[in-house]
Amino acid sequence: EAQVTQNPRYLITVTGKKLTVTCSQNMNHEYMSWYRQDPGLGLRQIYYSMNVEVTDKGDVPEGYKVSRKEKRNFPLILESPSPNQTSLYFCASRSPGAGRPTGELFFGEGSRLTVL
Amino acid sequence: QKEVEQNSGPLSVPEGAIASLNCTYSDRGSQSFFWYRQYSGKSPELIMFIYSNGDKEDGRFTAQLNKASQYVSLLIRDSQPSDSATYLCAVNLSGYSTLTFGKGTMLLVSP
Repeated sequence: EAQVTQNPRYLITVTGKKLTVTCSQNMNHEYMSWYRQDPGLGLRQIYYSMNVEVTDKGDVPEGYKVSRKEKRNFPLILESPSPNQTSLYFCASRSPGAGRPTGELFFGEGSRLTVL
Repeated sequence: QKEVEQNSGPLSVPEGAIASLNCTYSDRGSQSFFWYRQYSGKSPELIMFIYSNGDKEDGRFTAQLNKASQYVSLLIRDSQPSDSATYLCAVNLSGYSTLTFGKGTMLLVSP
């Protein structure tokens, strides 16, 4: 089954304790991205990656790191989490589009993070 | 400036009615337009995509694109209570390799 898998799905942590949210896709997509979603603010892009070893900042990258060492994996790293990073996080990968200008995004199930 | 605007709603319609959801975007050169449905606490799922001016129909859903006026809309015919969700408009704004999302419109369909 084609899917984007995130872990953990739920996490409660404390300020300053480093954490990593993993993301893996099995569709051989080159493009992957991380979003956070907050009430009233919608989906905001944190980082994205066009391919292996290529990453770029999105709209809200502060406090986050990413890496893309393999095509299928795109982990999100919070080196020193703070309460303002409490949010619902989504990883997504994008299909090539098959001749269309842009393919659609496929989302993981989401990771709800609470930082105390 | 990247902007995709949607009315936050909620838009309330009775069961069986047509729901009309609208989205405007800032860049006339944008080429790809998507509608996602998101149930509370769940991930967004793609409903429709449209690239050319005009209408595109898929079952009860119709996407309408007007590039000159810079708006894209989603019509849901014969609305069902199960259609109650937040609908996200996403646009591939020209000059950007990523999708920009609107904040979403909440749709409530009452039985």
